[in-house]
Amino acid sequence: DSGVTQTPKHLITATGQRVTLRCSPRSGDLSVYWYQQSLDQGLQFLIQYYNGEERAKGNILERFSAQQFPDLHSELNLSSLELGDSALYFCASSDKRTPETQYFGPGTRLLVL
Amino acid sequence: AQSVTQPDIHITVSEGASLELRCNYSYGATPYLFWYVQSPGQGLQLLLKYFSGDTLVQGIKGFEAEFKRSQSSFNLRKPSVHWSDAAEYFCAVGTTSYDKVIFGPGTSLSVIP
Repeated sequence: DSGVTQTPKHLITATGQRVTLRCSPRSGDLSVYWYQQSLDQGLQFLIQYYNGEERAKGNILERFSAQQFPDLHSELNLSSLELGDSALYFCASSDKRTPETQYFGPGTRLLVL
Repeated sequence: AQSVTQPDIHITVSEGASLELRCNYSYGATPYLFWYVQSPGQGLQLLLKYFSGDTLVQGIKGFEAEFKRSQSSFNLRKPSVHWSDAAEYFCAVGTTSYDKVIFGPGTSLSVIP
């Protein structure tokens, strides 16, 4: 158990809908990262937040957005969902002392029908 | 740009046999290197990491990896594989800015009795 929690574990929705994925980092970790894992794209970095501020962006679509709240939990919002958005979405966190080492949550499996 | 290749998509070994998973990276400076393991339906777990110093790094679950700068490699090894080691293994390279970790495509390991 990494200490990173993600909810929900599974999500089934329809095209065009909007969903919100939630992540709670390890206690004390200020950085949160979001990744998308799919069969064709592999593990792709989406976005990073550090202490409430966006710090880095990766291959994140404009339909996707994220935020980190004062209690450091983070949410990833996916809108106008398409079939191709079906994937595993991981959250990871890291601490200030070893920022390069990321600890991953169990993931949210999203299925868009 | 940083990149990671894992030449073997899938490897099958017998239980008790030795294992070596290959990883090659492309990065201009001394990289931060990681190996993660993903069991079916699980998140990624950090096996070991290399930042500097001794080029042979010991990790959890009996794994070790050796950094070879001349070959731009960071191969993962285990002297005797257990059935529970069957999983997906990801090599990753971290940048000095810590903002991104680039993951390789992964190697799927099957263990036969």
